[in-house]
Amino acid sequence: KAGVTQTPRYLIKTRGQQVTLSCSPISGHRSVSWYQQTPGQGLQFLFEYFSETQRNKGNFPGRFSGRQFSNSRSEMNVSTLELGDSALYLCASSLGTGVAKNIQYFGAGTRLSVL
Amino acid sequence: DAKTTQPPSMDCAEGRAANLPCNHSTISGNEYVYWYRQIHSQGPQYIIHGLKNNETNEMASLIITEDRKSSTLILPHATLRDTAVYYCIVRVAASGYSTLTFGKGTMLLVSP
Repeated sequence: KAGVTQTPRYLIKTRGQQVTLSCSPISGHRSVSWYQQTPGQGLQFLFEYFSETQRNKGNFPGRFSGRQFSNSRSEMNVSTLELGDSALYLCASSLGTGVAKNIQYFGAGTRLSVL
Repeated sequence: DAKTTQPPSMDCAEGRAANLPCNHSTISGNEYVYWYRQIHSQGPQYIIHGLKNNETNEMASLIITEDRKSSTLILPHATLRDTAVYYCIVRVAASGYSTLTFGKGTMLLVSP
């Protein structure tokens, strides 16, 4: 079974631009979560989508948004990029219910550099 | 979710057992213990989880104390590829969403 796929793997943007990252979950998984990882703040939760609905959101500004499609694929968007948005963005999928909801399978991440 | 405390770093010789402790003294009765690890520059990887009984799978064993206030992840025969940051996370299974809160974890260095 294919794992979680994130595209692109690397991105370079300049301040003020916007970016869209994509995540394809494991087949059959209905939950997709996004995390940001930086050396200073570690792994931080951005948001979770389940059956096309945002189920939970972390403490990030409104410039960070996401959505989930009917096939469970998800995208996250960051508008008006700032230097501090440079990070590894990780997507994780899970079945989304019961004990297994907390068993998340992570992709390799998208490394975003903002210049 | 209950707070967890882990040592910042540990060393282990290749081939020996690595025992990684986690303290979760405020854990409640319906919270599970989950372990993940993150090898450098990769996404985190799920290892194992448990409620109160000891658990074992092909990757590791999880020992939870009787009072559930602490647990130990055991890698029985550590290899160089087990060098990673290990995260202990305590989570309720019955909540309506799946959000993992990662602390700083334990950096395990396996040496030849």
